[in-house]
Amino acid sequence: SQTIHQWPATLVQPVGSPLSLECTVEGTSNPNLYWYRQAAGRGLQLLFYSVGIGQISSEVPQNLSASRPQDRQFILSSKKLLLSDSGFYLCAWFAGGNTEAFFGQGTRLTVV
Amino acid sequence: GNSVTQMEGPVTLSEEAFLTINCTYTATGYPSLFWYVQYPGEGLQLLLKATKADDKGSNKGFEATYRKETTSFHLEKGSVQVSDSAVYFCALSKPGRRALTFGSGTRLQVQP
Repeated sequence: SQTIHQWPATLVQPVGSPLSLECTVEGTSNPNLYWYRQAAGRGLQLLFYSVGIGQISSEVPQNLSASRPQDRQFILSSKKLLLSDSGFYLCAWFAGGNTEAFFGQGTRLTVV
Repeated sequence: GNSVTQMEGPVTLSEEAFLTINCTYTATGYPSLFWYVQYPGEGLQLLLKATKADDKGSNKGFEATYRKETTSFHLEKGSVQVSDSAVYFCALSKPGRRALTFGSGTRLQVQP
């Protein structure tokens, strides 16, 4: 079965510091992977998706970037965090159409 | 483009009360519709889905019927429990689309 591992679970970082969140998938090959952000009291915003190694599509301009160095690895990064980057970040795998999306447990990022 | 609109929360109910969370969508063609649930501090998990008009998805006492004529997919449960307290997301996907489109989420609080 498909499993998504996401870490760390919580992170407190100062403004201006770098960020690296990692997501790995088990139980599937060549998955479509996604990064979502959930700001406090708000819905899910799609940040990036990737259909293969080295292929990244950005949905919104922002202070973040994503990379897909391996088939089952998806990384969310920032060189310098902003206060507005605080939120709950979710990695997801979705095959498309009427299939179910699988989510990681999320990372709560607080930028101070 | 595609969009999903959910009722604003929080929804506060007493245990054993009837629940309705409204969801309407905008999309061309025939999207698949989903309800996801997010328990505190966790990622999202699929609650139920419907892939064509008049389909009824059901799980754990929750139900939702795909109504194409009203472009709706309202979530209902006859008798809620404290353990149902969570955030509920309505979502749609379409063939060929590479991501789910989520509503803003509705927080449900069930009091004993």
